[in-house]
Amino acid sequence: AQTVTQSQPEMSVQEAETVTLSCTYDTSESDYYLFWYKQPPSRQMILVIRQEAYKQQNATENRFSVNFQKAAKSFSLKISDSQLGDAAMYFCAYKETSGSRLTFGEGTQLTVNP
Amino acid sequence: DTGVSQDPRHKITKRGQNVTFRCDPISEHNRLYWYRQTLGQGPEFLTYFQNEAQLEKSRLLSDRFSAERPKGSFSTLEIQRTEQGDSAMYLCASSQNSRAPPDTQYFGPGTRLTVL
Repeated sequence: AQTVTQSQPEMSVQEAETVTLSCTYDTSESDYYLFWYKQPPSRQMILVIRQEAYKQQNATENRFSVNFQKAAKSFSLKISDSQLGDAAMYFCAYKETSGSRLTFGEGTQLTVNP
Repeated sequence: DTGVSQDPRHKITKRGQNVTFRCDPISEHNRLYWYRQTLGQGPEFLTYFQNEAQLEKSRLLSDRFSAERPKGSFSTLEIQRTEQGDSAMYLCASSQNSRAPPDTQYFGPGTRLTVL
């Protein structure tokens, strides 16, 4: 079974600085998708960024970028120029290309200090 | 706003009672998912529909749980004879069966269930 591990339960960053959240996963599949979701205190899960495993180029979305290391099964999220609104729980998630379910990590609580 | 909606947002019930939650997906999405999230944890998959067909169920979905999606539109999740361990946030998500962009799931606000 696929597993997703987020080894940092909590992280903090100063406003305007950069922070990296870690995620590792275990799978025997060669084609899959990876996602980062953000869940603010209001608790609605919001998609931050997604990566297709067959693409070598790392995905970027404005201030958010990933470092996808397929061989190492690592998928970290970098947030640049952190803003107060970035404070939330961040979940890494995995999905098989042919599958339906998302498998989530345990989450990383990000605090942004003014 | 045409995002995923869920009703009710909060439900408090007594142990042993039945509860039903509703999810309305994004209108053009043919896939619908239910997840359960306990405090401080990531969501766990419960079940998945493509149109009106329930194609996958997690072993977490005990026989007290049943989900339906009549006519492939909204979905309901019913829990019978609730137990205190059922207290959680129940999240619904929907997606469009497409590879471009990847089959991305969009989540609703959730229904928080408290069983007393």
